[in-house]
Amino acid sequence: SYVLTQPPSVSVAPGQTARISCGGNNIGSKSVHWYQQKPGQAPVLVVYDDDDRPSGIPERFSGSNSGNTATLTISRVEAGDEADYYCLVWYPSSDRYVFGTGTEVTVL
Amino acid sequence: EVQLLESGGGLVQPGGSLRLSCAASGFSFSIYAMNWVRQSPGKGLEWVSVISGSSGSTYYADSVKGRFTISRDNSKNTLYLQMRSLRAEDTALYYCAKDSWSSGSYNAFDIWGQGTVVIVSS
Repeated sequence: SYVLTQPPSVSVAPGQTARISCGGNNIGSKSVHWYQQKPGQAPVLVVYDDDDRPSGIPERFSGSNSGNTATLTISRVEAGDEADYYCLVWYPSSDRYVFGTGTEVTVL
Repeated sequence: EVQLLESGGGLVQPGGSLRLSCAASGFSFSIYAMNWVRQSPGKGLEWVSVISGSSGSTYYADSVKGRFTISRDNSKNTLYLQMRSLRAEDTALYYCAKDSWSSGSYNAFDIWGQGTVVIVSS
């Protein structure tokens, strides 16, 4: 099956580091992309191909991917980082994309 | 400016049909794969379908296979989603999204529209 599991919620204090996991079978062999979605807005790409950032995305956003877990790390968290975050993977063996279950990040 | 603008959403009865459109501007539409993604109220993102730049390849989520058809008109820079046999569970905000590379493979979605709402209800 193609399920990407994320923690439903992550809480972090301003200035601290938030880590959001995306778990899937052998996900380390795939390219993982990460999206930020704020209420009422379309998703925004924050990390692509595991660890690359689109232009305009702060260096505070970084990614890693190994084994069965990919991770989005948000350093020096700000109030404006409060949002839902989703991972995304393309599975060529079955010709489908799968989104992760989503994580709500709350800044305390 | 790169832009995607969806239209065609609305209220439809169960079993009915609807065609969504996505007008693209600001980039070479024909060389990028394009996707439809939906989000049910209060729920997460769900990928629906992708079509290659040349329309040679189309793929669907299991939840819509056999009921939805993705297509594109590169002369009009427009993406479509024909939805048939609609069910209550198809109720969602439907986004179109552009592939980030013109490589012929399937990659991150770098540009999204603002979405169009589909409500399936009697």
